[in-house]
Amino acid sequence: GAVVSQHPSWVICKSGTSVKIECRSLDFQATTMFWYRQFPKQSLMLMATSNEGSKATYEQGVEKDKFLINHASLTLSTLTVTSAHPEDSSFYICSAPTRLVSEQYFGPGTRLTVT
Amino acid sequence: KNQVEQSPQSLIILEGKNCTLQCNYTVSPFSNLRWYKQDTGRGPVSLTIMTFSENTKSNGRYTATLDADTKQSSLHITASQLSDSASYICVVSAGNQFYFGTGTSLTVIP
Repeated sequence: GAVVSQHPSWVICKSGTSVKIECRSLDFQATTMFWYRQFPKQSLMLMATSNEGSKATYEQGVEKDKFLINHASLTLSTLTVTSAHPEDSSFYICSAPTRLVSEQYFGPGTRLTVT
Repeated sequence: KNQVEQSPQSLIILEGKNCTLQCNYTVSPFSNLRWYKQDTGRGPVSLTIMTFSENTKSNGRYTATLDADTKQSSLHITASQLSDSASYICVVSAGNQFYFGTGTSLTVIP
């Protein structure tokens, strides 16, 4: 089946620094990718929709200047958490839908800890 | 308003027992409904997918049902194992839009 990878799987950074998370669709092209945030024992929360070749669409309450999304190719989307703060510590997951069967494949997630 | 609601929010069962998780939705137009299993610290993994015309789908010890008339789905887990401890998420799609339930946290104890 289709595979979506994320890198890194975990990262620890200092407050005020920026962190980039990559999401790749390994065996299919994805014009759209989704980015989610998940706090402990809570469900996935959609942050933004990444669109290849155009600007991302952000959900209400998500700061676009803080969570920069770039979808430069049909297999890669990146999420950059700028000027990270401890409250940004969370589990970030991406997903990519396939066109044919309206299926979504999720990445394994990235654990971000901001100290 | 397109919504997906899951119940119960959390569930604890003894190893070897069966359990059923519920998903009610108001999503329209309906494309398909999928159940995912998410282990702690991992991304969700698909268990089953059902379209409008399907009312039951099995994947090993997991059996999902769908009643498109009442807009309800259930996920039945048979002979639970410790490894079944996870969050189970119901996702309903309407074309290119995906609507997530809040999940059911299942804990299987020995």
